[in-house]
Amino acid sequence: DTAVSQTPKYLVTQMGNDKSIKCEQNLGHDTMYWYKQDSKKFLKIMFSYNNKELIINETVPNRFSPKSPDKAHLNLHINSLELGDSAVYFCASSPADRRNEQFFGPGTRLTVL
Amino acid sequence: AQSVTQPDIHITVSEGASLELRCNYSYGATPYLFWYVQSPGQGLQLLLKYFSGDTLVQGIKGFEAEFKRSQSSFNLRKPSVHWSDAAEYFCAVNNYGQNFVFGPGTRLSVLP
Repeated sequence: DTAVSQTPKYLVTQMGNDKSIKCEQNLGHDTMYWYKQDSKKFLKIMFSYNNKELIINETVPNRFSPKSPDKAHLNLHINSLELGDSAVYFCASSPADRRNEQFFGPGTRLTVL
Repeated sequence: AQSVTQPDIHITVSEGASLELRCNYSYGATPYLFWYVQSPGQGLQLLLKYFSGDTLVQGIKGFEAEFKRSQSSFNLRKPSVHWSDAAEYFCAVNNYGQNFVFGPGTRLSVLP
């Protein structure tokens, strides 16, 4: 009965590889998000997405792309991974008209070697 | 631009002692205010939130927070800390439906 789930929980990969992190929510929410938590624990929004619009934080490299096969899923694809991409990535979801009520997933710790 | 500061990077308290974690925000109007807790290896759990009304809000696990408009602060408190409270605590603001802005976090250690 997990509300927001992410897979995998841990991901270790080499520089230059392409990887994906999956996110699923069973809350019936319309809007989903991806956040990056860096080594200093600082959380920053990367994307917010619903079926009408994708809002991208301008600081996010275009190697990162969200893909939503349906309303309950928002996967994060990362191309040409770099050392600086190592972080914990959190998925979240909310109703479209209540973006301040975000529920977070458990996070995916990505380590790029 | 909105910003959230948490002046204390790391706080250590003894079990049973009281706790106050500080949070200040910078924004033209009063945003929505939140406290989240992140236990080791876990996701973010909402402790409490303030939208309007009574400036003292109660949350889960015995936590409370007080909004002080004059100080642009939203400090988190607990009268008696338990060892299980050891975690990272994040203050966050949300500008009326826009994206969340999180503070840098305060790590709480609890001594037996």
